[in-house]
Amino acid sequence: DAGVIQSPRHEVTEMGQEVTLRCKPISGHDYLFWYRQTMMRGLELLIYFNNNVPIDDSGMPEDRFSAKMPNASFSTLKIQPSEPRDSAVYFCASSFRAANTGELFFGEGSRLTVL
Amino acid sequence: LAKTTQPISMDSYEGQEVNITCSHNNIATNDYITWYQQFPSQGPRFIIQGYKTKVTNEVASLFIPADRKSSTLSLPRVSLSDTAVYYCLVGDHLSVSSGNTGKLIFGQGTTLQVKP
Repeated sequence: DAGVIQSPRHEVTEMGQEVTLRCKPISGHDYLFWYRQTMMRGLELLIYFNNNVPIDDSGMPEDRFSAKMPNASFSTLKIQPSEPRDSAVYFCASSFRAANTGELFFGEGSRLTVL
Repeated sequence: LAKTTQPISMDSYEGQEVNITCSHNNIATNDYITWYQQFPSQGPRFIIQGYKTKVTNEVASLFIPADRKSSTLSLPRVSLSDTAVYYCLVGDHLSVSSGNTGKLIFGQGTTLQVKP
């Protein structure tokens, strides 16, 4: 398997623009997580899905952030409108929780810079 | 969710054994202890997981005392390539359908610097 695939790897945009980050989890995994990492706040869990259903979105900073998982092989994280404080590396991770190992497989991340 | 406390940073030299201890006083009965490693510009990578006593794999060992309020990740004979941030996580890893959260929260991590 190719692992968790994220796109784009890097994005630079201007304040106010819409940003869409994409994730393809590992085939067969039933959990999908979105994390955000900054120097100041470390790795923050934003939202996670189980079988395409959002389970906990309490980490989503505000209404400007939204995430969807229309099917088992694709998820998006959207920021609209974007702000400079949204600059961070956004990671997507998936896991096969039925195995009870709890191992998360992370993508390489999407580095977002909002000017 | 149980909170974890681990040292912010550690230094070591090549060839030495490194032990990183994590405190998790409020660990719950269903919680497992998991350690991840993260290199710059990469996502975290699973190292090892345990529930109690000792677990060993080809990369590391994990020691968990009987009260489970702490755990120690042991890296044998580290090399320069082991320089990374190491995260200790505590959480229930059972499926949501079992009534657990399935949530995994990362703490601040320990930055390990291995010197030649």
